[in-house]
Parts: sequence; C-alpha cells; structure tokens
Amino acid sequence: AQRVTQPEKLLSVFKGAPVELKCNYSYSGSPELFWYVQYSRQRLQLLLRHISRESIKGFTADLNKGETSFHLKKPFAQEEDSAMYYCALSGYGQNFVFGPGTRLSVLP
Amino acid sequence: EPEVTQTPSHQVTQMGQEVILRCVPISNHLYFYWYRQILGQKVEFLVSFYNNEISEKSEIFDDQFSVERPDGSNFTLKIRSTKLEDSAMYFCASSGSRGARTDTQYFGPGTRLTVL
Repeated sequence: AQRVTQPEKLLSVFKGAPVELKCNYSYSGSPELFWYVQYSRQRLQLLLRHISRESIKGFTADLNKGETSFHLKKPFAQEEDSAMYYCALSGYGQNFVFGPGTRLSVLP
Repeated sequence: EPEVTQTPSHQVTQMGQEVILRCVPISNHLYFYWYRQILGQKVEFLVSFYNNEISEKSEIFDDQFSVERPDGSNFTLKIRSTKLEDSAMYFCASSGSRGARTDTQYFGPGTRLTVL
C-alpha cells in the first residue's frame, strides 16, 4: 500500500531559524516524491520534486530510501514561507497520494 | 503562465441533488484528475482520465460519481445524488503529454461544495 505521513500538523519557527518539515512514506517500489505548497487562499503549487534535485525558494529535500523519508528543509525561514506543505507520492499509478499536510508558521 | 481553472468557486446544494463541477485543464495536457479534501483532512485522489476514459479511480469514486470531457476544453465531475459527506473542496488537476509518474500535476483553485 502507498502511504505518506507527515507527523507534524503545525510547525512554528522564528524568522531566520532553520526549518525541517518531515515526510515519511511507505511504498514497495521506487517512488516519485513531491512537495506541494498551498499559500493562504491560493491553489496547490509544486514546490519541488526529488527527481529534479533542484532547490526552490531555498528549500531542498533529499530522498532517503533507507529511512523512507523525504524531509523538506530550509536553512533560514522567511515570513512568506508560512503556508500548508503537502508531501505527495506517485507510486503504482498516475495519481498522487498526499500526506495530511503540515502548517508552517514563521513568526517575526 | 497557463493555469487550470475551476467553476464555480463555491457550490451550495441540497442533499439528493445533482451537482456538476467544472474544470478547464491546461490546454496541451492530456491527463486529468479530480481530488477532494474534506475540511481538516488530507487531499484524496478520486479519479484520473485519459483518452476519453477513466484510467484509475479510488474507492471513493463510486457509482454516484462520473466524469466527462464533453468538449475539447472542459472536464467535469458529476455527483448524481449528493450526500452530506460529499461536502469538501474538490480540486481538478492536469498533467502533460507523457502521463508519466514523474509528471508534475498542476492544480486548479478548487470548488468548495457544501451539501445541506
């Protein structure tokens, strides 16, 4: 079965502090993993995907197959990073399996 | 930059009524999806559609649901007889020509369905 977990519903950090949003998955094959972000009153937007190994808005995520994790990190949080973050897995089919989401709140 | 659009933004209906949610995917995309998000819960896959037929569907997508691409641009989700538990945000998404697992899915802004 395909499953994505994000253990933190809410994460609050101060501006300039490092951020790590956790994502773990279960999938028996080789997963494709994504992070989507939803800013207030906006649509879900792709933040990054593991296959492209790029950094968007200072965020990075590394796929760790041993720990079945795809944690999202940023060294210095900005107030504009406040949003809902969803980890998603594309496994057997074309559909995405989403995690429950983590609300990141960056305090001034 | 092209975007997926959805109408209406908010739909209120009585239990037992039929509703049609509309989506206009990105014009050169060939794969289309519907997801829903019940308030406070995670985004859940409903159905994917390619080449004028359903390619995958979840357990949620029962006989009360149907999808259609009635013309070259619209992609609709119909709920035949709405139930209270159908109240949710419904997201349409589309992805590019390859339909590969690595394809990015682009999401619409969502339609909030409220069933009374």
